[in-house]
Amino acid sequence: DSGVTQTPKHLITATGQRVTLRCSPRSGDLSVYWYQQSLDQGLQFLIQYYNGEERAKGNILERFSAQQFPDLHSELNLSSLELGDSALYFCASSPGFGQLSNTEAFFGQGTRLTVV
Amino acid sequence: DAKTTQPTSMDCAEGRAANLPCNHSTISGNEYVYWYRQIHSQGPQYIIHGLKNNETNEMASLIITEDRKSSTLILPHATLRDTAVYYCIVRVLTGTASKLTFGTGTRLQVTL
Repeated sequence: DSGVTQTPKHLITATGQRVTLRCSPRSGDLSVYWYQQSLDQGLQFLIQYYNGEERAKGNILERFSAQQFPDLHSELNLSSLELGDSALYFCASSPGFGQLSNTEAFFGQGTRLTVV
Repeated sequence: DAKTTQPTSMDCAEGRAANLPCNHSTISGNEYVYWYRQIHSQGPQYIIHGLKNNETNEMASLIITEDRKSSTLILPHATLRDTAVYYCIVRVLTGTASKLTFGTGTRLQVTL
């Protein structure tokens, strides 16, 4: 158990819909990352938050958005869903500050999104 | 972040050492080498990381060449449960944590 919790584990929805994926980081971790992994594809970095602020952005579509709340949990919002958005979505967290900034990042078990 | 090059796949017999190479010839002085693995569709699992010295933990050893242009992850006694995709990542050192950029990794198959 990495200590990173993602909900829901599975999600099936129709095209055009909007969903929210939730991530609770490990206790005390300030940095949260979101990744997308399509079928047989690598892990694509989407976005990083650090203590509530956006820190880095990857190949995140404009239909997608994220935020990190004061309690440090994060949500990834996916809207106007298309079939191609079907993927595993992973969240990771790390302490993210000072000498601990380059410790390991711990990943959750992911949310499997299926768009039909 | 510097790019990495890894073999697409490798096989290893159970009980033998698995040596997974990684080239990172454009690595900068402030970049660490990280290794993660992903078993089936589970969340990636941290294995080990280092800057320039060799590192060892309960899972593996990391050997980084003196010029830091390549490294090798060593699983000393591979088991079937080590079958996974192994990712070598270089990650810049900053005051706040930077993202991990995953490549295509090496698919390690451990066989009986």
